[in-house]
Amino acid sequence: EDQVTQSPEALRLQEGESSSLNCSYTVSGLRGLFWYRQDPGKGPEFLFTLYSAGEEKEKERLKATLTKKESFLHITAPKPEDSATYLCAVRGMDSNYQLIWGAGTKLIIKP
Amino acid sequence: DSGVTQTPKHLITATGQRVTLRCSPRSGDLSVYWYQQSLDQGLQFLIQYYNGEERAKGNILERFSAQQFPDLHSELNLSSLELGDSALYFCASGRDVNQPQHFGDGTRLSIL
Repeated sequence: EDQVTQSPEALRLQEGESSSLNCSYTVSGLRGLFWYRQDPGKGPEFLFTLYSAGEEKEKERLKATLTKKESFLHITAPKPEDSATYLCAVRGMDSNYQLIWGAGTKLIIKP
Repeated sequence: DSGVTQTPKHLITATGQRVTLRCSPRSGDLSVYWYQQSLDQGLQFLIQYYNGEERAKGNILERFSAQQFPDLHSELNLSSLELGDSALYFCASGRDVNQPQHFGDGTRLSIL
């Protein structure tokens, strides 16, 4: 069964303190791994798509990486405005067009 | 701005009633997805349409139905509403299944 697990559930950092969020997945034939950011009461905002192991994508203070079993979202020198819930989703070969979503990591950056 | 428009933003109604939520996808996107997100819960996939046809069904109750029209906008109909249906309902659109989904800001449904 396809599954996505995100850790930690919540992460509190000081402004400027770099860290990583983890997304572990079990899927038959990965067709894409997607990272989103969600602010309270808002829709998820697309960040990155990764398709194959070894792929990396960067945007401002965020960098996403992918292996055959997990993806990391690295946050470098975060600012308070980076506070949000970060969601990971995967699509596998047998997922019938659906994305399998993780429960998210709630990131809080304290000034 | 994702380019996906959902209306209304807020909806307050009573148990037993019926409501319709509307979604206009991004220009050029043929797929529309509907999700439910209850308080502090994850995204629950409800249903997907592609170019007017139902493509995939998730955890959608029989009291809920959806359709996608020729102009590609979509409507989600919720009937015989219960208190537990109170949630944020999101619509997302995408070019095809391997491309990212882009979300609207949702409709917040409150059942009194």
